[in-house]
Amino acid sequence: KAGVTQTPRYLIKTRGQQVTLSCSPISGHRSVSWYQQTPGQGLQFLFEYFSETQRNKGNFPGRFSGRQFSNSRSEMNVSTLELGDSALYLCASSLGVHSYNEQFFGPGTRLTVL
Amino acid sequence: AQSVTQLGSHVSVSEGALVLLRCNYSSSVPPYLFWYVQYPNQGLQLLLKYTSAATLVKGINGFEAEFKKSETSFHLTKPSAHMSDAAEYFCAVTLVTGANSKLTFGKGITLSVRP
Repeated sequence: KAGVTQTPRYLIKTRGQQVTLSCSPISGHRSVSWYQQTPGQGLQFLFEYFSETQRNKGNFPGRFSGRQFSNSRSEMNVSTLELGDSALYLCASSLGVHSYNEQFFGPGTRLTVL
Repeated sequence: AQSVTQLGSHVSVSEGALVLLRCNYSSSVPPYLFWYVQYPNQGLQLLLKYTSAATLVKGINGFEAEFKKSETSFHLTKPSAHMSDAAEYFCAVTLVTGANSKLTFGKGITLSVRP
């Protein structure tokens, strides 16, 4: 069974631009969560989607948004990029939304904002 | 709200020595606890998880952790370190009663293994 895939793996943008990251969950998984990883703040929860609905959201500004499609694939978008948005963005998928469901992580997308 | 504290940011051990990575949690309701490992330029891989069954949990690659409610701890151990164990380790918590999968992570500990 293929794991969680994220595209692109690396991305370089400039301040003010917007970016869209993609995540394909493991086949059969319906829940997708996104995390931001930075050296200073560590791993922080962005949001979670299940059946195309956002179920939970972290403390990030409205510039960060996401969506989930009917095939469970998910995208996250960051508008008006800032230098501080440079980070590794990790996507995780699980069978369902309950806390006992194991989350499987993708390799991440490394975003650099210049 | 739940939180995790991982004391220290870096641990160095000799190959063959005991590995002990500490994790303390704070939670108002029973927690589920996890240890993840991250190798350079990779995502997170689950090492083991505590989901209110046995308090001593065995994971992959010879790692285990013990849930101690009285100490609010979930320390990760391995009897004998191997060079391939060098990586970053994250402890995470989520709520048993939560209808969501949100994980709250500690800051992470970098494990170095000396030959």
